[in-house]
Amino acid sequence: GNSVTQMEGPVTLSEEAFLTINCTYTATGYPSLFWYVQYPGEGLQLLLKATKADDKGSNKGFEATYRKETTSFHLEKGSVQVSDSAVYFCALSSSMEYGNKLVFGAGTILRVKS
Amino acid sequence: KAGVTQTPRYLIKTRGQQVTLSCSPISGHRSVSWYQQTPGQGLQFLFEYFSETQRNKGNFPGRFSGRQFSNSRSEMNVSTLELGDSALYLCASSMDEQGYNEQFFGPGTRLTVL
Repeated sequence: GNSVTQMEGPVTLSEEAFLTINCTYTATGYPSLFWYVQYPGEGLQLLLKATKADDKGSNKGFEATYRKETTSFHLEKGSVQVSDSAVYFCALSSSMEYGNKLVFGAGTILRVKS
Repeated sequence: KAGVTQTPRYLIKTRGQQVTLSCSPISGHRSVSWYQQTPGQGLQFLFEYFSETQRNKGNFPGRFSGRQFSNSRSEMNVSTLELGDSALYLCASSMDEQGYNEQFFGPGTRLTVL
């Protein structure tokens, strides 16, 4: 079946450090890939997405590139801020399934210290 | 445009009771999906409704059910509550029947079963 694997957290960084959160996936067909962010006490917000191989999604300084050859979609940011502290979820939506169904990774807690 | 709203935000029930949660999607969105979020299992897909029909279903027992009304508002019901049903229940809406549409999440309903 479809699945998403994320690096375990928590990840603790100092402000202005470089961030990488690894995400790999297993899926049939050609999935779309997403990164969602969840702030404390809130629902999920879409951070970025990529719908086909070699697409790069970007938003608010975060980037991720859809790598079909390595089945990966790693999240990166060049300089994190305290306000980036949250839980980050990698997710996929399979082209082999009708409708909207997201399969999520376990989530990675990011803590940024000032 | 108003976002996805969920009511109630918090709920406390006892084992054996039943509960109904409500979700109002973004205006114009016809697809509503439900997810369960727990510390142990993470984010898991419950079901999706589109035009009042269940289009997709996750691996949950029959105690979990849902429906969608003609105005796209959706409810989910859990009967004979168990302690393990304690979770954050998230609703997400998206615009139409095509895949890869962005899903917009509500803030969730926090259900506690005692």
